[in-house]
Amino acid sequence: DARVTQTPRHKVTEMGQEVTMRCQPILGHNTVFWYRQTMMQGLELLAYFRNRAPLDDSGMPKDRFSAEMPDATLATLKIQPSEPRDSAVYFCASGLASGIEAFFGQGTRLTVV
Amino acid sequence: QKEVEQDPGPLSVPEGAIVSLNCTYSNSAFQYFMWYRQYSRKGPELLMYTYSSGNKEDGRFTAQVDKSSKYISLFIRDSQPSDSATYLCAMTNQAGTALIFGKGTTLSVSS
Repeated sequence: DARVTQTPRHKVTEMGQEVTMRCQPILGHNTVFWYRQTMMQGLELLAYFRNRAPLDDSGMPKDRFSAEMPDATLATLKIQPSEPRDSAVYFCASGLASGIEAFFGQGTRLTVV
Repeated sequence: QKEVEQDPGPLSVPEGAIVSLNCTYSNSAFQYFMWYRQYSRKGPELLMYTYSSGNKEDGRFTAQVDKSSKYISLFIRDSQPSDSATYLCAMTNQAGTALIFGKGTTLSVSS
């Protein structure tokens, strides 16, 4: 059963702490997306990668957010330092460069207190 | 103004009703138009997509795209309680690139 796996599913942290979210894309997919979902803004694109190289990270606050793909089976999104306004559900999605569909993980629900 | 606008609702209808969901957009470069469905506490899943203008039907669902008006619609016939979810429109100008989403419309179908 091919699916995108995200860990952790839930994270509660104190303001100022570092947060790392992980994503395992579907095997064979070469495009990985990071989105953030809030009630106010909906689904916002933070960054995306093709063949592990960043193509666009213009949606990400660069001073505190960073996204990487250390290898083809792992994508990470880090927030350092975290702030209460970062509280949201963070989704990873993967797909093919030639494809239309983005397959989403279950999300990481982040609460920063 | 956001690139994609979608009324968040909520929209409540009785079982069996016809539902109409809509989005407008501003970027004329968009070529692929999608509808995703998201159940509570789950990730979005692709429902259907359309390339350029026209209609596409899949069972009880029909997607319409009017590029001249920059307006897309999703119709659900004979709505069921299991259709209760948030429906998000999404679009992109090129296959394999990032999707730009609307905020989503929350639909509730009562039995």
